[in-house]
Amino acid sequence: KDQVFQPSTVASSEGAVVEIFCNHSVSNAYNFFWYLHFPGCAPRLLVKGSKPSQQGRYNMTYERFSSSLLILQVREADAAVYYCAVTLCWTTGRRALTFGSGTRLQVQP
Amino acid sequence: SQTIHQWPATLVQPVGSPLSLECTVEGTSNPNLYWYRQAAGRGLQLLFYSVGIGQISSEVPQNLSASRPQDRQFILSSKKLLLSDSGFYLCAWSDPPGHTQYFGPGTRLTVL
Repeated sequence: KDQVFQPSTVASSEGAVVEIFCNHSVSNAYNFFWYLHFPGCAPRLLVKGSKPSQQGRYNMTYERFSSSLLILQVREADAAVYYCAVTLCWTTGRRALTFGSGTRLQVQP
Repeated sequence: SQTIHQWPATLVQPVGSPLSLECTVEGTSNPNLYWYRQAAGRGLQLLFYSVGIGQISSEVPQNLSASRPQDRQFILSSKKLLLSDSGFYLCAWSDPPGHTQYFGPGTRLTVL
């Protein structure tokens, strides 16, 4: 079965750089997406792509079957759930994203 | 610009009662539409997706159903709710398929 794997919890301290790792076993998946989710709110896209990329404090590394989200200068307000998702490099109208189960980031002051 | 709406924002229903959650998208045509559920302490679970009017695919067998009566309207329904149906329901759209999914504000459903 196609799956996306990520740790359930990651802990960090304020001001540090935190890395959240993701890998997948989805056939033909090519693109990674990283979403930020505060429970009770709409998930928000942070960064995406099929190559390393950066959006503000968020960096995404890229390998064919794995990606890491790096959050620079972590703040207490970054404490949330981070979802990794993958998608095919071409589409046939079928479902687009396969999500991991989410990583809860804990930030210690 | 595109906007996605969901209602109601919160809902408390007794076991065995029916359910209807609605999602509408503005500012785009023929989007892919999705229903997700986040149960307490768990990740996002894809329930249904639709590539067009009347075209629904189910990812998980359960007592829920979905319909797409119009291009930009997606409805999640149940004839009889179960306690296990409690959770946070999110609607999302993508255009074109395979690209970024944009999520609605969600509906918090509590089944008592």
